[in-house]
Order: sequence, then structure tokens, then C-alpha cells
Amino acid sequence: EAGVAQSPRYKIIEKRQSVAFWCNPISGHATLYWYQQILGQGPKLLIQFQNNGVVDDSQLPKDRFSAERLKGVDSTLKIQPAKLEDSAVYLCASSATGGGYEQYFGPGTRLTVT
Amino acid sequence: GEDVEQSLFLSVREGDSSVINCTYTDSSSTYLYWYKQEPGAGLQLLTYIFSNMDMKQDQRLTVLLNKKDKHLSLRIADTQTGDSAIYFCAETSTGNQFYFGTGTSLTVIP
Repeated sequence: EAGVAQSPRYKIIEKRQSVAFWCNPISGHATLYWYQQILGQGPKLLIQFQNNGVVDDSQLPKDRFSAERLKGVDSTLKIQPAKLEDSAVYLCASSATGGGYEQYFGPGTRLTVT
Repeated sequence: GEDVEQSLFLSVREGDSSVINCTYTDSSSTYLYWYKQEPGAGLQLLTYIFSNMDMKQDQRLTVLLNKKDKHLSLRIADTQTGDSAIYFCAETSTGNQFYFGTGTSLTVIP
């Protein structure tokens, strides 16, 4: 079974630029999560989708971050405009159910904002 | 949000047991997890425990939960160099919002 795929693996941009990350979950997984992991910290949930609907986006900075999962499969997370403090690893995870006790993580996208 | 705390570093000799500790504040936690993260990789779920359990054993891994003290531990028996990684505990009460600790960096000395 293929795992969670993410691209790109690395991205370097200047502040005020835009960036987008892509995630393809494990086939058949209804629930998709985006996490932000700042160096030296644990992951922080940004947004959770159940199929193509948003379950929780309470910690998503909506003035600059947006995410979509239009067809209930793959998802895109966008930052516009980026700030220095957005430098982090962005992790995507998926699970078969919303219960969440079997989350599978992708390798992450390391973003550096200069 | 809820607080989940871990010590930052742990060093053990190969073949010894490792014990990684975690404390949390959410008294309504239903699931508690241990994840392993190797350099440049995502998180790998090692094991989880329901809040109505005290202990769970899975091969070299033993999870102990003290719900009264809100304390979770992960014991790795016969620690190997391949166990060197960062270990995160996490908890959820709703199955939606998950709270992760800061991670414990385990170094195994040959």
C-alpha cells in the first residue's frame, strides 16, 4: 500500500512570496490533516478534512493560510504571503476514520522563508 | 490548547532499557499515542493506548498510563542503535484535535 505522498520535499522562498504544498493521502482514507512542525516542537494541527469538508480549522491563520480538498482526495495548503515565522516542516497525515487513532504521516515539506 | 510535556533528551547504552516520559493536562483524554520521527521523515505511529487501560505491551515496547497523575511512559527494552530518533507523545479527547509534546531525542550509544 502506498503511503502518504507530499511535494515538494523542500522549498525556499522570500518573505511576502506565495507557496503551495500538495498532499495525496493513502487511498480510501477519508480524513486528511495538515500539521505545522516548527523546529524543536511537536506538530500543531492546522486543519482537518473529512472527505471534502472541513472538520477543524481553528488553528489555521486564515489571513494568510488556505487549504482545500475539492474532490475529497488530494489536498493543497497555500501560504500567501509568507512570513519568516512560517519556516517549518508541513506534515500531511491521513486516517481511514475520523477517530484518528491510526494516523499515517507523509515525509513532510520543509519550508524556509528568508 | 492542552499541554503535553516531555523531557528533551535521553541517552542510553545499546542493550539497556529506555524509558521516555510524558505528562499531559487534559483529564478527558481518550487516546494517547507514541510516535517515532527519524531525521527527514514524517512521524511513525508506534503504539497507542485507550484511557481505560493501564498498560499495553507490543514486542519491545511497553506503554504505562497513570491516568490519575496524567502520566504516560514508553519503555523500549533492549534498545538498539536503530531506535535513535525523536519520540513524541500525543493525546486527543475528541478524535479531532490532537496535541503533541515537544519530543524526546533518544540517543543510543553503541
